[in-house]
Amino acid sequence: DAGITQSPRYKITETGRQVTLMCHQTWSHSYMFWYRQDLGHGLRLIYYSAAADITDKGEVPDGYVVSRSKTENFPLTLESATRSQTSVYFCASRPVGTERYEQYFGPGTRLTVT
Amino acid sequence: QKEVEQNSGPLSVPEGAIASLNCTYSDRGSQSFFWYRQYSGKSPELIMFIYSNGDKEDGRFTAQLNKASQYVSLLIRDSQPSDSATYLCAVRGKSGNTPLVFGKGTRLSVIA
Repeated sequence: DAGITQSPRYKITETGRQVTLMCHQTWSHSYMFWYRQDLGHGLRLIYYSAAADITDKGEVPDGYVVSRSKTENFPLTLESATRSQTSVYFCASRPVGTERYEQYFGPGTRLTVT
Repeated sequence: QKEVEQNSGPLSVPEGAIASLNCTYSDRGSQSFFWYRQYSGKSPELIMFIYSNGDKEDGRFTAQLNKASQYVSLLIRDSQPSDSATYLCAVRGKSGNTPLVFGKGTRLSVIA
């Protein structure tokens, strides 16, 4: 049972380059989320998706693009990376249903933009 | 802007003591409350969930919720060095399908 995986786990890229972070879950959860975690800011929501082809902005969406053509995948693209996007990125998922359901997190991707 | 506030710490307690972590939230309509534990370099993992006013116990952990005062707390009894981590409070709004809003976390250090 793989659960939720993220790739790559570590990435170094240069300012201005496009980079895509992958998230894959095997539970068929309806909801998927992207957060970034920075010192002093905690976990901040970038984008989330309620189902395939349905996405919505979170707290800090600028500079990011998401898509969700399949339920199990939710890639996050930085179209033109900036140093301020250096962060740890966590993908999460949860099933649709009652508010009692927790969000399950992937292992994270540590991204450095030079 | 829905906010979740936590004392960033670090909170230091001796081994065997009770650690008390607190969290306040701004959205009075919030319905579900979660405590996640995050070890350094790892992803958050759920340790407690609470939905109703009062206390909920699970082993050494007790979550307390007071909706009127808009706070939720986590007590860790018989603290162990392995409990040293950052504890994140998360809140879900009135609609069951809204994303969790996280506090910035409280760093707990249990001293042997």
